[in-house]
Amino acid sequence: QLQLQESGPGLVKPSETLSLTCAVSGGSISSSSYYWGWIRQPPGKGLEWIASISYSAGIFYNPSLKSRVTISIDTSRNQFSLELTSVTAADTAVYYCARQNIVGITGRHFDYWGQGTLVTVSS
Amino acid sequence: SYEVTQPPSVSVSPGQTAFITCSGDKLGDKYASWYQQKPGQSPVLVIHEDTKRPSGIPGRFSGSNSGNTATLTISGTQAMDEADYYCQAWDSSHVVFGGGTKLTVL
Repeated sequence: QLQLQESGPGLVKPSETLSLTCAVSGGSISSSSYYWGWIRQPPGKGLEWIASISYSAGIFYNPSLKSRVTISIDTSRNQFSLELTSVTAADTAVYYCARQNIVGITGRHFDYWGQGTLVTVSS
Repeated sequence: SYEVTQPPSVSVSPGQTAFITCSGDKLGDKYASWYQQKPGQSPVLVIHEDTKRPSGIPGRFSGSNSGNTATLTISGTQAMDEADYYCQAWDSSHVVFGGGTKLTVL
């Protein structure tokens, strides 16, 4: 059974960089059949996609966050990571990592999710 | 940029059928997926590729997608189906989520 586990600081100061890692177990992150993504959810609000990465197909960013986001993949550790720079209180959210299944040209659904980690931006 | 729109809330009586819609320009030309999220929990995929149910999802959940609208249908709605539901599509290499619909079973 595939499992994803987010880790990283729960508290980040304004203007600093938020860094999170997602450890994948029960499957290989190197498969070309999947992307690996980050999604966030501010308290009481909806889901917002941040970015996705594929071992072979590249990187995809939410245009509204692209200037502040870096996503990377470490196949040796079977994990992928997120960095979000210059954070503000608006970046306070539960951050989820998830596996994104690829189906044809337009099928890109998230079939496995981590439990999520709350990151609070505050001084 | 592409957007999909959901009604903020839908109410249904136990045992009745709930319909949750997701609207977007030519959404029927793309695959739509649906997620269920209960308070304090991670989202769970309930429908993908418009109509497919993942293993473990009850048969009362079904989906359709045509024209500009995708629809999640919950037949014989149960109290345990009360949750937030999100639609999702993929357009121009970007993931797009709807704003979510709160389903109330009363």
